[in-house]
Amino acid sequence: NAGVTQTPKFRILKIGQSMTLQCTQDMNHNYMYWYRQDPGMGLKLIYYSVGAGITDKGEVPNGYNVSRSTTEDFPLRLELAAPSQTSVYFCASSSRGSGDLGEQFFGPGTRLTVL
Amino acid sequence: QKEVEQNSGPLSVPEGAIASLNCTYSDRGSQSFFWYRQYSGKSPELIMFIYSNGDKEDGRFTAQLNKASQYVSLLIRDSQPSDSATYLCAVNMGPGGGSNYKLTFGKGTLLTVNP
Repeated sequence: NAGVTQTPKFRILKIGQSMTLQCTQDMNHNYMYWYRQDPGMGLKLIYYSVGAGITDKGEVPNGYNVSRSTTEDFPLRLELAAPSQTSVYFCASSSRGSGDLGEQFFGPGTRLTVL
Repeated sequence: QKEVEQNSGPLSVPEGAIASLNCTYSDRGSQSFFWYRQYSGKSPELIMFIYSNGDKEDGRFTAQLNKASQYVSLLIRDSQPSDSATYLCAVNMGPGGGSNYKLTFGKGTLLTVNP
């Protein structure tokens, strides 16, 4: 049971490039989340999904897109990368929503630098 | 704007002492409260959750909740150097009944336990 896995671990992008951050969970969780974490800051929710085919915006969705075609995978797409998107990105999943006290399990993170 | 506030620290305590970490939140309707531990360069890990007023104990950790004061705290007894990490407070500020899936995170408190 690998839990939540993310690839790549590190990436450097040039301004204007695009990329997809991959996230996969093998716990059959319905709920999945993407966060970003800037130095000295807490986690900001980018997008979340409550099941395959259902996604919704979080607190900071601008510049990102997501899709959820399967229960396992929840990729995050960056279009036209900007320096403001330099951050550490965490994917998380839970078996129930936060309102039901479902614990969120986090992946190891992707450290992205945009130059 | 719904907010979760924590002292950024660093909070420095000697080994064996009690570490007290505090968190306040802005939404009086908040339902559930989580404490995550994050080691440097790693992903957050849930260590406690609480949803009823009062204390909840788990080993060396005690979470305390006072909804009237909109205040939640984490006490770590017999602090060990391995407890040195950033502690993130997270709050579910949505409506109850499991219809909200999102957590709002504080910026975290850096705890250092000195041998």
